[in-house]
Amino acid sequence: DSGVTQTPKHLITATGQRVTLRCSPRSGDLSVYWYQQSLDQGLQFLIQYYNGEERAKGNILERFSAQQFPDLHSELNLSSLELGDSALYFCASSSRDTEAFFGQGTRLTVV
Amino acid sequence: AQSVTQPDIHITVSEGASLELRCNYSYGATPYLFWYVQSPGQGLQLLLKYFSGDTLVQGIKGFEAEFKRSQSSFNLRKPSVHWSDAAEYFCAVGAWGNEKLTFGTGTRLTIIP
Repeated sequence: DSGVTQTPKHLITATGQRVTLRCSPRSGDLSVYWYQQSLDQGLQFLIQYYNGEERAKGNILERFSAQQFPDLHSELNLSSLELGDSALYFCASSSRDTEAFFGQGTRLTVV
Repeated sequence: AQSVTQPDIHITVSEGASLELRCNYSYGATPYLFWYVQSPGQGLQLLLKYFSGDTLVQGIKGFEAEFKRSQSSFNLRKPSVHWSDAAEYFCAVGAWGNEKLTFGTGTRLTIIP
């Protein structure tokens, strides 16, 4: 158990819809990262938050957004969903001196 | 821009045999290198990491990796594999600390009796 909790584990939704993925980082970790894992793109970095502020941005679509709340949990919002957004979405967290610990992921299926 | 190449998509090894998974990276400064393992339906678990110092690093589950700057490589090794090692292995490179990890495409390891 990495200590990073992601909910829900599975999500099935229709095209055009909006979903929210939630991540609770390890206790004390200020950094939260979101990654997308798909068959065609592999594991891609989406975005990082550090103590509530956006820290780094990767290949995140404009239809996607994220935020980190004062209690340090984070949410990834995916809107106007397309079939190609079907993927495994991972959250990871770290502190200043540790590696990133990954959650179990949320498997999103868009139908 | 940083990049990672894992040239082997799939490797099959007999149980008890030795293993080497290849990883080459491209990064302009001192790289921070990682190997993660992903079992089916699971998240990513860190096997080992290299930040600085001794170029041969030991990890969990009997794995080790050697950083070779001249070859831009960070190959993962294990002297004797177990059936439970069957999984997907990802090499990753990062900037300072853990920010913005770039992953390779992964190597799927199959173990045969």
